[in-house]
Amino acid sequence: KNEVEQSPQNLTAQEGEFITINCSYSVGISALHWLQQHPGGGIVSLFMLSSGKKKHGRLIATINIQEKHSSLHITASHPRDSAVYICAVWAGNNRKLIWGLGTSLAVNP
Amino acid sequence: EPEVTQTPSHQVTQMGQEVILRCVPISNHLYFYWYRQILGQKVEFLVSFYNNEISEKSEIFDDQFSVERPDGSNFTLKIRSTKLEDSAMYFCASRYGRGETQYFGPGTRLLVL
Repeated sequence: KNEVEQSPQNLTAQEGEFITINCSYSVGISALHWLQQHPGGGIVSLFMLSSGKKKHGRLIATINIQEKHSSLHITASHPRDSAVYICAVWAGNNRKLIWGLGTSLAVNP
Repeated sequence: EPEVTQTPSHQVTQMGQEVILRCVPISNHLYFYWYRQILGQKVEFLVSFYNNEISEKSEIFDDQFSVERPDGSNFTLKIRSTKLEDSAMYFCASRYGRGETQYFGPGTRLLVL
């Protein structure tokens, strides 16, 4: 069983839709990353959070430490949001990043 | 904006050859990492490096792998004798502090024939 599980694995949306991607983890963590991987392979960190909620533009990330669960929301989705979104957690000692499989998002115009 | 750079962007090598992948982290960062992503699979942690020594390594990071920060700016990953299964995209990353965001290089795509 993976230590970091994401759902859904694949997601297709129409432009303008509200999107939610979920992440559950089974290990003790010091923080959680949401990252975006572009079709060319490049990886960009979107959020790092250890509690509560963070917002950046149309992206919102939440985490519930007690339930070991995080969500990434995209409001008013746009075709340029099409990418793989990856949840990754810093293991408790903060030395190792454990990655989920990613959610492949396609937003159609 | 400062960025992590990696060279080469692509490398093709024969099985059994040594390869060195190079990374230049952001200049004031203190923590350095290598990850790999086999085509179609998830990103995997290889090694973390701080204060001129390895702080954590994965089961993948066996005796064939080594890392070095030779001159205070470069951070290298060496694979001594490449195997077919080493074919992957290798990402370098760095961050200033343990509670800080990690920045990723563009990756080196390694193909072992």
